[in-house]
Amino acid sequence: QVQLTESGPGLVHPSETLSLTCTVSGFSLTGYSVYWVRQPSGKGLEWMGRMRYNGDTSYNSALKSRLSISRDTSKNQVFLKMNSLQTDDTGTYYCTRAPRSTMGITLGYFDYWGQGVMVTVSS
Amino acid sequence: DIQMTQSPASLSASLGETVSIECLASEDIYSNLAWYQQKPGKSPQLLIYYASSLQDGVPSRFSGSESGTQYSLEINSLQPEDEGDYFCQQSYKFPLTFGSGTKLEIK
Repeated sequence: QVQLTESGPGLVHPSETLSLTCTVSGFSLTGYSVYWVRQPSGKGLEWMGRMRYNGDTSYNSALKSRLSISRDTSKNQVFLKMNSLQTDDTGTYYCTRAPRSTMGITLGYFDYWGQGVMVTVSS
Repeated sequence: DIQMTQSPASLSASLGETVSIECLASEDIYSNLAWYQQKPGKSPQLLIYYASSLQDGVPSRFSGSESGTQYSLEINSLQPEDEGDYFCQQSYKFPLTFGSGTKLEIK
């Protein structure tokens, strides 16, 4: 079945770089797009960026200067790197999958989510 | 960016009641609206997509509708397991944006 699992450090110091991994199973990264969404503690959801099935990426302009998303299809993994972390980057980070229509078009909502990884930015 | 204004921020209702949650888009999103439920400590789960299509496995007491740029999620016959947070999300234009959420308490 479809699964996404995030992993990474729980604690990052201010100004450092966050590195997260999303390991997927039950589907191919060359067939589906994977998105990153974060949720500051007790707050709403923010779309961060995506790795498309064809290897293209796109980012939320609010984060674009700090964010990089890549993948290793042989390992079924998508990576997120975000630099210059500050305390307001504290929260839960999710990787999600976007479904595809019967015509093969990637849809813009999320049918599967990982369990999330909590990241605290603190000295 | 498209702003999604969600209301109410919280509501409390009794078992068996019907509740409605609204999301107002700042521009036309042409039905590209999804609803998610998030239970405490869990990741969001897709309920509705394209404004009114029920995701597989979601109980039929959940329904979505639209009127212009206003989108609604209705939950009929409230059950204890419906307690949680609800979010809308537009998928019409990047950046994808979410409503601020509604906390539903079952009395």
